[in-house]
Amino acid sequence: DTEVTQTPKHLVMGMTNKKSLKCEQHMGHRAMYWYKQKAKKPPELMFVYSYEKLSINESVPSRFSPECPNSSLLNLHLHALQPEDSALYLCASSQEPQNTGELFFGEGSRLTVL
Amino acid sequence: AQKVTQAQTEISVVEKEDVTLDCVYETRDTTYYLFWYKQPPSGELVFLIRRNSFDEQNEISGRYSWNFQKSTSSFNFTITASQVVDSAVYFCALSDFSGGYQKVTFGTGTKLQVIP
Repeated sequence: DTEVTQTPKHLVMGMTNKKSLKCEQHMGHRAMYWYKQKAKKPPELMFVYSYEKLSINESVPSRFSPECPNSSLLNLHLHALQPEDSALYLCASSQEPQNTGELFFGEGSRLTVL
Repeated sequence: AQKVTQAQTEISVVEKEDVTLDCVYETRDTTYYLFWYKQPPSGELVFLIRRNSFDEQNEISGRYSWNFQKSTSSFNFTITASQVVDSAVYFCALSDFSGGYQKVTFGTGTKLQVIP
C-alpha cells in the first residue's frame, strides 16, 4: 500500500467548476510536491512545498492553486481549467527538501476537464 | 540544464528473457543523484533505486541490476528472467538542487511489455 494517499482517484469537471485534489502523508516528511503527467509523458514538476511553505512554482497557471494546511496535507485547488489540463496529477513527498532521497508518490488523481 | 534520455520508447520481450533499459543523462553538476522508478498501470510511481554521482558500483537486487558509468553518462537497468508483473513504464530520473531544493527531472520513460 502506498504511504501517500490521494483523493479523489478520478475527477471529471467542467471548465467553470471549482474542485480540489487532496494529498496526505503520515511519514513525517517535510517536503511535498505536485507533479502533472500527461498520457505517455513523464511527470512534470508543478510545485514544491518545504516545511509547509511554497518553495518552487514552475510557472504554473494561476488556475492551479496549491495549499499546504499542515505538514501532512497538500491540496491543489482547481478553477476555470481547460480541457488541456486533463492529466494524472501526482503528489509526492520526501523526507527533507534538501534531501536527495527517494520521492514517495501517491497513485495520482486522474482529472478530466470537459 | 539537466536532461535524461531514454531512447527506447517501447520494448516487448517474452517471459524469462533478460531485458536492458537504457538511460543517458546530462548535467553540469558534479554532485547529482540518479533514480529508476516503475509505473504500473495503477499509476503510482514506485521507487526502485537511487545512486549518487560518487558511487559507480553496480548494484544487484534480486532479478534487477543497474550499471552506472560516469564515463558515458549512462545508468542502465537490467531485468533478468523477466516476468509478466514487470510490465510497466520505467522512468530514469536525475535530481539536482534547483535554488536549494531538490528537483527531479524524469526521462520520457520506456514501456516494457512482458509477453507470457
